[in-house]
Amino acid sequence: EIVMTQYPATLSVSPGEGATLSCRASQSVSSAVAWYQQKPGQAPRVLIFGASTRATGIPARFSGSGSGTEFTLTISSLQSEDVAVYYCQQYNNWPQFTFGPGTKVEIK
Amino acid sequence: EVQLLESGGGLVPPGGSLRLSCAASGFTFNNYAMNWVRQAPGKGLEWVSAVTGSGSTTYYADSVQGRFTISRDNSKNTLYLQMNSLRVEDSAVYYCAKDAVYGVQPRDWFDPWGQGTLVIVSS
Repeated sequence: EIVMTQYPATLSVSPGEGATLSCRASQSVSSAVAWYQQKPGQAPRVLIFGASTRATGIPARFSGSGSGTEFTLTISSLQSEDVAVYYCQQYNNWPQFTFGPGTKVEIK
Repeated sequence: EVQLLESGGGLVPPGGSLRLSCAASGFTFNNYAMNWVRQAPGKGLEWVSAVTGSGSTTYYADSVQGRFTISRDNSKNTLYLQMNSLRVEDSAVYYCAKDAVYGVQPRDWFDPWGQGTLVIVSS
């Protein structure tokens, strides 16, 4: 099983500031990583797939990068509506999909 | 608009059974693999099971292998998860999620997700 690790567990950011979320895979997953946003009481929604491609309708302030074992989700200017838990997922080792434990983003 | 609507959750005693359903609309259902993903209260996401577009091939996480059965009825645009021998640790919100890319196999990210149905296993 490919283990996905995310850090930090919690990130407190001032409105308008940038946020950098990290995700590490226990072995190479190429670029087969997706990022999801889950707001309280809601289902997850995809933000990024293929490590760096924004999904339809996702604001440009969200960007993804990385390949192999190290991945990053960047929120360039945090808005209040971005308060959520963010999960990375690998799908290289399909169908044994695995998720990271999540990073909670809060407003400072 | 693609929509997924889960149902069938509830309270069940340990060792009991439950069948979840996911009604799909807004896309050609049999052209996409489908998945179940669960989230225990206050915890992260765990992939549970997947099925190919035709329903001929199924996949399971080790934690549910032999106890859960995924299936689909393409004539009804509905995905199912039959859960037997339920344990306390199976308590979670269960989401159905569509494979994002047209194709037979479940090999891509998930988009979209349903709103989920809550399963509580407790005596």
